[in-house]
Amino acid sequence: QSALNQPPSVSGSPGQSVTISCTGTSSDVGGYDRVSWYQQPPGTAPKVMIYDVSNRPSGVPDRFSGSKSGNTASLTISGLQAEDEADYYCCSFTSTRIYVFGTGTKVTVL
Amino acid sequence: QVQLVQSGAEVKKPGASVKISCKTSGYTFTNYYMHWMRQAPGQGLEWMGIIYSGGGTSYPQNFQGRVTVTRDTSTSTVYMELSSLRSEDTAIYYCVREPHSGAYYFDYWGQGTLVTVSS
Repeated sequence: QSALNQPPSVSGSPGQSVTISCTGTSSDVGGYDRVSWYQQPPGTAPKVMIYDVSNRPSGVPDRFSGSKSGNTASLTISGLQAEDEADYYCCSFTSTRIYVFGTGTKVTVL
Repeated sequence: QVQLVQSGAEVKKPGASVKISCKTSGYTFTNYYMHWMRQAPGQGLEWMGIIYSGGGTSYPQNFQGRVTVTRDTSTSTVYMELSSLRSEDTAIYYCVREPHSGAYYFDYWGQGTLVTVSS
């Protein structure tokens, strides 16, 4: 099972919006609404930001939103803030009943 | 509050095995699925396997035969043993909780355990 494809980096100024894509196949992202997104600042463990494509856990700001179209899921950060600077990973359940992560995207706040 | 506390860093030689512990607290241990992930230096996350609330396990094909996840319900501790270590296994290993059966995502993560494989 190959890793899901994410852009290596995205950047934006404070207050702007950025979108991270996560492209898989019909055996993972396209086949299940079981896509989650994780934020990982340097030197820390990941934190869930979105689950089941578009649901936010309690405590996650509503600036974070998720969506999916076909085999590609997306995470959008609206109103970008300095504390959003981190690595972001998508994750999908798959048809072989394993989990596959994305390649990771570094978000830089200019 | 929910806590997952992992054992300390390990240095191993190629061919050896490593066993990492993850002591949990703050919730009913046997009601939740637990997973193991790893992250090589500067790399992405990789799923290594799951132990279900009933004690059964499942591993991805690329780790089959090398990884074993077990648990001790008397101490609410999960273990991950990886054998036949090679340099590519150098990574931070995380134990991770699935928030409820069939949630398909992960809410609490341990602090991570660095395993270094070097001759």
